[in-house]
Amino acid sequence: KAGVTQTPRYLIKTRGQQVTLSCSPISGHRSVSWYQQTPGQGLQFLFEYFSETQRNKGNFPGRFSGRQFSNSRSEMNVSTLELGDSALYLCASSSLAGGGDTQYFGPGTRLTVL
Amino acid sequence: AQSVAQPEDQVNVAEGNPLTVKCTYSVSGNPYLFWYVQYPNRGLQFLLKYITGDNLVKGSYGFEAEFNKSQTSFHLKKPSALVSDSALYFCAVRDLGLTGGGNKLTFGTGTQLKVEL
Repeated sequence: KAGVTQTPRYLIKTRGQQVTLSCSPISGHRSVSWYQQTPGQGLQFLFEYFSETQRNKGNFPGRFSGRQFSNSRSEMNVSTLELGDSALYLCASSSLAGGGDTQYFGPGTRLTVL
Repeated sequence: AQSVAQPEDQVNVAEGNPLTVKCTYSVSGNPYLFWYVQYPNRGLQFLLKYITGDNLVKGSYGFEAEFNKSQTSFHLKKPSALVSDSALYFCAVRDLGLTGGGNKLTFGTGTQLKVEL
């Protein structure tokens, strides 16, 4: 089975722009979660989608949004980019969204905001 | 809220020696605990998890972890370290949050493992 794929892998934007990141989960997985990784804050949960519905949301401003499509692919959008949004954005998928279910991560999208 | 702590920023060990990467947890209810590894410029790779059952969990690449309820710990171990094990290791707990559902993971701060010849 192919793993979680994320596109693009690298992205450079300037302050004030917006960006859309894409995630394709492992085939058959219905839960997709997004995380932000920075040197200062570590790994922080952004949101989780299951069957096109947002199940959980982390403590991020409304500039961060996401959605999930009927084929379980997910996108996240960041509007009005700030320098502090520079980070590695990781997507993870799991099959049942249950408590003990394993989340498998993609390689991430490295976003640099200038 | 659920949380995990990794008390060591870095662990150094000689190749061939046993290694331990420490993790303690704070949860309400039964914990679902995970270990992931991250190599430079890569995503997270799943190593192992504890859901219920045996306190010694075996995972990928020869790693294992011991769940200790009385000490609220879930330390990662390997009997003989390899230079290729050098990477960043994260402990994580499933966070039930306010809704009591979903699949959110709360991660520790990470431990950099350095295995030297």
